[in-house]
Amino acid sequence: QVQLVQSGAEVRKPGASVKVSCKASGYTFTTHYIHWVRQAPGQGLEWMGIINPGGGVTKYALKFQGRVSMTRDASTNTVNMDLSSLTFEDTAVYYCARAQTGGVYDVWGQGTMVIVSS
Amino acid sequence: DIQMTQSPSSLSVSVGDRVTITCRASQSIANFLNWYQQKPGKAPKVVIYTASNLQSGVPSRFSGSGSGTDFTLTISNLQPGDFATYYCQQSFKTPWTFGQGTKVEIK
Repeated sequence: QVQLVQSGAEVRKPGASVKVSCKASGYTFTTHYIHWVRQAPGQGLEWMGIINPGGGVTKYALKFQGRVSMTRDASTNTVNMDLSSLTFEDTAVYYCARAQTGGVYDVWGQGTMVIVSS
Repeated sequence: DIQMTQSPSSLSVSVGDRVTITCRASQSIANFLNWYQQKPGKAPKVVIYTASNLQSGVPSRFSGSGSGTDFTLTISNLQPGDFATYYCQQSFKTPWTFGQGTKVEIK
């Protein structure tokens, strides 16, 4: 079945970087854009950016520009999200989500908890 | 950025009740509005897409309406599995933005 499987939880110190991966299966990897959305503890959903797995084109939320990078590896059907210069405020669950035409997220990864702690 | 404002932020209801959640966009988004249900510790799940379309597998007691700036999610005959937090999301223009969420709790 169609699914997105994310990498496991991470703990980082302030100032460090983290990489979260999202492996797609059950569909043609290049046909659907992948978005990254995060959710801080007890908070709402925040859009981080988008990557076209076909050509690798990306667009990032202004808030994250300069410290986020989204890449894809078509040989393994995997999308990666790198976030650098971490602060305590980056503690959150990070989700990848597949976008359908019209903009709805019809498939989500299970989420990856990233904890920033000294 | 397009701001999405949901109301109410929470409500306490009983099984069998009818629930209405509203979402207002800061500018017209046509019908590019989606609704998600999220339960604790789980990823969100789409219930309604493009304002009024029921996602496959979602019970017909869920319905959505609206266009432009004002949208509504209605849950009729609320069931125990419906207690969750609901988010609206606009996909008209990046950055795609979400409402702050509405927590539906058991009275």
